[in-house]
Amino acid sequence: QKEVEQNSGPLSVPEGAIASLNCTYSDRVSQSFFWYRQYSGKSPELIMSIYSNGDKEDGRFTAQLNKASQYVSLLIRDSQPSDSATYLCAVYSGGGADGLTFGKGTHLIIQP
Amino acid sequence: ETGVTQSPTHLIKTRGQQVTLRCSSQSGHNTVSWYQQALGQGPQFIFQYYREEENGRGNFPPRFSGLQFPNYSSELNVNALELDDSALYLCASSLDSGPILFFGPGTRLTVL
Repeated sequence: QKEVEQNSGPLSVPEGAIASLNCTYSDRVSQSFFWYRQYSGKSPELIMSIYSNGDKEDGRFTAQLNKASQYVSLLIRDSQPSDSATYLCAVYSGGGADGLTFGKGTHLIIQP
Repeated sequence: ETGVTQSPTHLIKTRGQQVTLRCSSQSGHNTVSWYQQALGQGPQFIFQYYREEENGRGNFPPRFSGLQFPNYSSELNVNALELDDSALYLCASSLDSGPILFFGPGTRLTVL
């Protein structure tokens, strides 16, 4: 059974600070890793993808991957109230057979 | 570029009934995946259709079935509805069974 674990939160961060979201996964052969943002009552929106160990930066977002530790994280710099949402970590092991495996998400609250 | 669309937006059914949900993929995408998201949970993979064939399925019973049409649009059918089928049903499109998914707005199904 493939599992993706996230702290459900809520994680409360002051405006302008760095928000750090974490995710661990169980399947060692996982190849691709994704972060989705989901506002309440809306569908998930892809914000970052990462495929190899290290950091990947896109604007205020940085994804970090450590395959040896089976750990992936998302940093949000200069957090804004509009970043308040649930962040879903998703893992892909290859092949269409299993689709993406999602965690339950971390609820992030940015306090003005 | 047209994004993923789903219909209907909301649906209320009673236990034992059957339901059909519809999805149009993003222009240029030939793969459609369906996910079920219960309240407070991450999306769970139901199945994926590529070139009108089911090429992957999650841990869902056979009463969940689907179709993909030549224009890459898709249907999700659920027979013998149960109370636990109440959820947000998400359609996602991608290219060539790849893992980069773009989600539609979802259909909220309530089973009474």
